[in-house]
Amino acid sequence: DTAVSQTPKYLVTQMGNDKSIKCEQNLGHDTMYWYKQDSKKFLKIMFSYNNKELIINETVPNRFSPKSPDKAHLNLHINSLELGDSAVYFCASSPTQVANEQFFGPGTRLTVL
Amino acid sequence: GENVEQHPSTLSVQEGDSAVIKCTYSDSASNYFPWYKQELGKRPQLIIDIRSNVGEKKDQRIAVTLNKTAKHFSLHITETQPEDSAVYFCAASRSFQKLVFGTGTRLLVSP
Repeated sequence: DTAVSQTPKYLVTQMGNDKSIKCEQNLGHDTMYWYKQDSKKFLKIMFSYNNKELIINETVPNRFSPKSPDKAHLNLHINSLELGDSAVYFCASSPTQVANEQFFGPGTRLTVL
Repeated sequence: GENVEQHPSTLSVQEGDSAVIKCTYSDSASNYFPWYKQELGKRPQLIIDIRSNVGEKKDQRIAVTLNKTAKHFSLHITETQPEDSAVYFCAASRSFQKLVFGTGTRLLVSP
């Protein structure tokens, strides 16, 4: 029973392509997040949704577009991929917006060639 | 906005020694301070957290201390074991705001 799952685990693609990463949580949480972890292991939040509504939108290029069809799913679509987009992308969820434990997915390693 | 600094970036200890990782934060309104452990190729996982109304919290071999006046908090691991080797992240936030992570500490415990 995976609490937070992501697909795919690995994604290798060419510059300029469009790709999507899917995330699902079965914890009944209200809040979901996307993080980017670069090669230096720095974890930076990109987006947060609460009950399907966008609540945090960091300074992220508009090539990145999150979508939350329901509160258990938060997908990330990336247009016109660039070399600098190569990173590990983690989805996470937490019970509410109030500061508490975040449960991370296994990560998606994106490599842009 | 919140800024979290973490030191050291790398820490090597012998098995059985203690390890201490320190973080400072900038936003005096921050009230939640978790610590995450990330093993190689794995997801970050919460190991302990503390809220601003508490000065210290312990869970077996790990403890966290918080000094609100100085705006710093620390992770203490006693009797380290090789399986404690990982990257550790501190973080800080206040309610309804994003969690801001430190830059991570790579802990290596040698047998």
